[in-house]
Amino acid sequence: AQSVAQPEDQVNVAEGNPLTVKCTYSVSGNPYLFWYVQYPNRGLQFLLKYITGDNLVKGSYGFEAEFNKSQTSFHLKKPSALVSDSALYFCAVRGRRGGADGLTFGKGTHLIIQP
Amino acid sequence: DGGITQSPKYLFRKEGQNVTLSCEQNLNHDAMYWYRQDPGQGLRLIYYSQIVNDFQKGDIAEGYSVSREKKESFPLTVTSAQKNPTAFYLCASSTSRGGSYGYTFGSGTRLTVV
Repeated sequence: AQSVAQPEDQVNVAEGNPLTVKCTYSVSGNPYLFWYVQYPNRGLQFLLKYITGDNLVKGSYGFEAEFNKSQTSFHLKKPSALVSDSALYFCAVRGRRGGADGLTFGKGTHLIIQP
Repeated sequence: DGGITQSPKYLFRKEGQNVTLSCEQNLNHDAMYWYRQDPGQGLRLIYYSQIVNDFQKGDIAEGYSVSREKKESFPLTVTSAQKNPTAFYLCASSTSRGGSYGYTFGSGTRLTVV
């Protein structure tokens, strides 16, 4: 079975500082990895995904994520946080076994950027 | 613009009533999903469908029912058997259930029991 862990329920960062939202995963074989963002009372919006190739993936709104196979991690990062980055962030994984398994989501991390 | 539309945005249900949440997509996606979101619990899968006229139970299907008569539509009925239906419901679609494809989400329906 595939699973995702987001160990922090909430991350607090001062505006202008770098931010990291952590994600670790468990899956058979190589993973497809995703980050989504959710604003209050809205659906999830796609930020970025890792399929193959360069371990550093760049996405929307200046976010990037680093795939680390040995640590089974896919942490979301941004060099300089904005107040508007405050939202709920979800990491998701899917295995490549060739079956039809859907995405498995983590429980989400609230990111709060303080002015 | 292609997208996925959920309606209504807010829905109020009386005790013992069945209610139906609408989900329509014009992305030509084969797979569609329903999730329930409660504070601190992330997304929990209710039902999914990979093809017209076929659907599968997810992790928390009890008290819910779905149909997939058209590729574009995947309505969710919350029945009176669902004892705690107050939650935020999200519909999503994907080109395929497997592979490198992500999901496209609707904007959600907030259901409240009154």
